[in-house]
Amino acid sequence: DADVTQTPRNRITKTGKRIMLECSQTKGHDRMYWYRQDPGLGLRLIYYSFDVKDINKGEISDGYSVSRQAQAKFSLSLESAIPNQTALYFCATTDRAGTGELFFGEGSRLTVL
Amino acid sequence: DQQVKQNSPSLSVQEGRISILNCDYTNSMFDYFLWYKKYPAEGPTFLISISSIKDKNEDGRFTVFLNKSAKHLSLHIVPSQPGDSAVYFCAALDQTGANNLFFGTGTRLTVIP
Repeated sequence: DADVTQTPRNRITKTGKRIMLECSQTKGHDRMYWYRQDPGLGLRLIYYSFDVKDINKGEISDGYSVSRQAQAKFSLSLESAIPNQTALYFCATTDRAGTGELFFGEGSRLTVL
Repeated sequence: DQQVKQNSPSLSVQEGRISILNCDYTNSMFDYFLWYKKYPAEGPTFLISISSIKDKNEDGRFTVFLNKSAKHLSLHIVPSQPGDSAVYFCAALDQTGANNLFFGTGTRLTVIP
């Protein structure tokens, strides 16, 4: 079983729909992240959380919200999905502050029609 | 603005030869650099890193070189193996409070048997 699990792995939705991507981890790490990958743009940080009571915006947080339900769970929501949010989304965790060494989930591919 | 750039989207190399992947960055405040490797349908995995106080770091077949004056780093893989075929992302760490990683756009390496 993967240490960082993302659900769903693939999702097709329509413009205006609310969608939630979920991430759970068994690594016991406090720090969790959501990134999105777009062709030609690499990975960009959406939100991050250093513990259950800590939520921070990343580089591209507009149109997204997150919830840290527990140390092991970090969810990303799109309140009203739009086509330019079509992307591959990755959750990541770490306990190695200051090193940049992240452990990524397998990704959630979201298509907004 | 892309602060970390990988100008070669793809690279093909014969098995047993050297693979050289390049990365440039613009922010002189970056002081820690990483390479991640990504296979299809998987999340990126950490490969190797280098601190700005060094100009070389080696781990088995993988060596990362850093040229701070040129704001350039490179990953050398010697000898290249077919299992090295993947997308390689360069990343730079912003060691302010967020410890945010800035990723390049990736280079797809194909090692030909």
